Amino acid sequence: GAVVSQHPSRVICKSGTSVKIECRSLDFQATTMFWYRQFPKQSLMLMATSNEGSKATYEQGVEKDKFLINHASLTLSTLTVTSAHPEDSSFYICSARVTIDSNQPQHFGDGTRLSIL
Amino acid sequence: QKEVEQNSGPLSVPEGAIASLNCTYSDRGSQSFFWYRQYSGKSPELIMFIYSNGDKEDGRFTAQLNKASQYVSLLIRDSQPSDSATYLCAAAYQAGTALIFGKGTTLSVSS
Repeated sequence: GAVVSQHPSRVICKSGTSVKIECRSLDFQATTMFWYRQFPKQSLMLMATSNEGSKATYEQGVEKDKFLINHASLTLSTLTVTSAHPEDSSFYICSARVTIDSNQPQHFGDGTRLSIL
Repeated sequence: QKEVEQNSGPLSVPEGAIASLNCTYSDRGSQSFFWYRQYSGKSPELIMFIYSNGDKEDGRFTAQLNKASQYVSLLIRDSQPSDSATYLCAAAYQAGTALIFGKGTTLSVSS
């Protein structure tokens, strides 16, 4: 149980393109999902907390107009990287908890490797 | 500021040895602690979690929690080359909020 699916797994596109990444909880409902970014050999960096039916909460330094998050249902959150540039190339990972109970773990999707040419 | 600290390593152990990974956290309000394993180029996968003082065992893995010392550890018995990965320690503080992750410790198990 507690499977999080992320799609696509890899994207290669030209500079200026907008890229949408989907994160789905397959066997549970997730009122909250989390989006992370990880550069090579660096730690996970929380970008934002996605809340179903409301605006996402962004971490300091993350541009909300650049990284659009939509959490329209209890099983789907999307991250859109708008007008992507080479510096946005990174590994993007979503995660979700089965409940909001902080004693429960976060389950991660397989990640999306984004390469902007 | 809530922080989770880990030694980045690398920690090198021979095959069959016990690997000991350590983690400290700054906020006593933390309720639960999680160990994730991340292979290069992959997303983190949960190994185990603990929220009571003492030891918790699952197969070759043992998590230890000492809330008084604000210290969490993960022991891996009979280490295998396939255990070579980065191990992330994470702490939970509030319901509905993201886990706070350490930067990870890289473990290398040599055959």
